[in-house]
Amino acid sequence: QQQVRQSSQSLTVWEGETAILNCSYENSAFDYFPWYQQFPGEGPALLIAIRSVSDKKEDGRFTIFFNKREKNLSLHIKDSQPGDSATYFCAARGSSGSWQLIFGSGTQLTVMP
Amino acid sequence: NSKVIQTPRYLVKGQGQKAKMRCIPEKGHPVVFWYQQNKNNEFKFLINFQNQEVLQQIDMTEKRFSAECPSNSPCSLEIQSSEAGDSALYLCASRDWDQDTQYFGPGTRLLVL
Repeated sequence: QQQVRQSSQSLTVWEGETAILNCSYENSAFDYFPWYQQFPGEGPALLIAIRSVSDKKEDGRFTIFFNKREKNLSLHIKDSQPGDSATYFCAARGSSGSWQLIFGSGTQLTVMP
Repeated sequence: NSKVIQTPRYLVKGQGQKAKMRCIPEKGHPVVFWYQQNKNNEFKFLINFQNQEVLQQIDMTEKRFSAECPSNSPCSLEIQSSEAGDSALYLCASRDWDQDTQYFGPGTRLLVL
């Protein structure tokens, strides 16, 4: 049973476009949702995160839109650059007592120059 | 940028051999996690520590895997008798007491022949 689901395994956009990566989850007890960026041969690096009390979080070119009622969220990458080409993982963590992250299976983003 | 250090970066073992990998969490981070990322980008939580104490671990970890986080020494994860299915990227992450963010190291890529 996949508790965190990323709908697209891969996504290709042109340089300058907005890339939209989608994620949904099943457990309404999840309250923290980080997005990680991973390049080949490296560990995941935190990109941006949101808590379930918010519906939007913005950091530079990266924005998370969060819909608690629908149990989904999306990562928007504005003005995509070739250097953004990586695999992006949506993750979730439950409320107190369960500290591990549960990851989606990732979306491989390719930004074409 | 993450300052979690993992060694070795690559590990090749034969089936039945022991495989040991180490992690130095970010300075001052008392909570340490181990995850396994397989070739399909699926993450599996293995175990986590708060200082030297095990907080949570999965059944798989209890049987063939052993882990520890001694004070003043690197944390370690050891597979007692490696199997082909253990081939994966093993990721260590750490976080501070009251922070949500888990910082990942570069991982140890294990290949079991």
